[in-house]
Amino acid sequence: GDSVTQMEGPVTLSEEAFLTINCTYTATGYPSLFWYVQYPGEGLQLLLKATKADDKGSNKGFEATYRKETTSFHLEKGSVQVSDSAVYFCALSETSYDKVIFGPGTSLSVIP
Amino acid sequence: ETGVTQTPRHLVMGMTNKKSLKCEQHLGHNAMYWYKQSAKKPLELMFVYNFKEQTENNSVPSRFSPECPNSSHLFLHLHTLQPEDSALYLCASSQGATAGTGYTFGSGTRLTVV
Repeated sequence: GDSVTQMEGPVTLSEEAFLTINCTYTATGYPSLFWYVQYPGEGLQLLLKATKADDKGSNKGFEATYRKETTSFHLEKGSVQVSDSAVYFCALSETSYDKVIFGPGTSLSVIP
Repeated sequence: ETGVTQTPRHLVMGMTNKKSLKCEQHLGHNAMYWYKQSAKKPLELMFVYNFKEQTENNSVPSRFSPECPNSSHLFLHLHTLQPEDSALYLCASSQGATAGTGYTFGSGTRLTVV
């Protein structure tokens, strides 16, 4: 079945460091791919998405490119801030009813 | 304002109590979901509703009973829970029939079973 694998962390970075969180997926068809973010004490928020190969999703300085050849959707940000401390979930959706399959989440802590 | 509202935000209940979690969405979405998020575990999909009809039940114990009276409201009725049921319960909604739109989540109900 479909699945999502991502580095589990925790990841600790200094402010203004470069961030990469790796995500790879397994799917039988051509899924849509997502990154969600969960801040402490909150639910998940959609951060960005890409619906077809080579699409780049971007939001709040974060980017991820849909790489079909490597089945990957790595999340990147050039300069992280303390306010980016959160848990990041990679996810995919393949069915017509939009059921989303989540990775295990990666905890990010950014220190001043 | 996320568009998906969950109440209560926090709930403490004894193992013999009966309580209900409520979820309401104002986005015109057709599909609604319950997820369980426990510490150190992946998100667990519990139930899926499309157009008020339950389309998925992921082997959830019968002490959890969902109800979806209309496309905007979703409930999770709880009775005789166990301490291991303590978790964050998340409700989400989506457009449903259109793949790729993603979910909108509520802020969750933090449940503690004592």
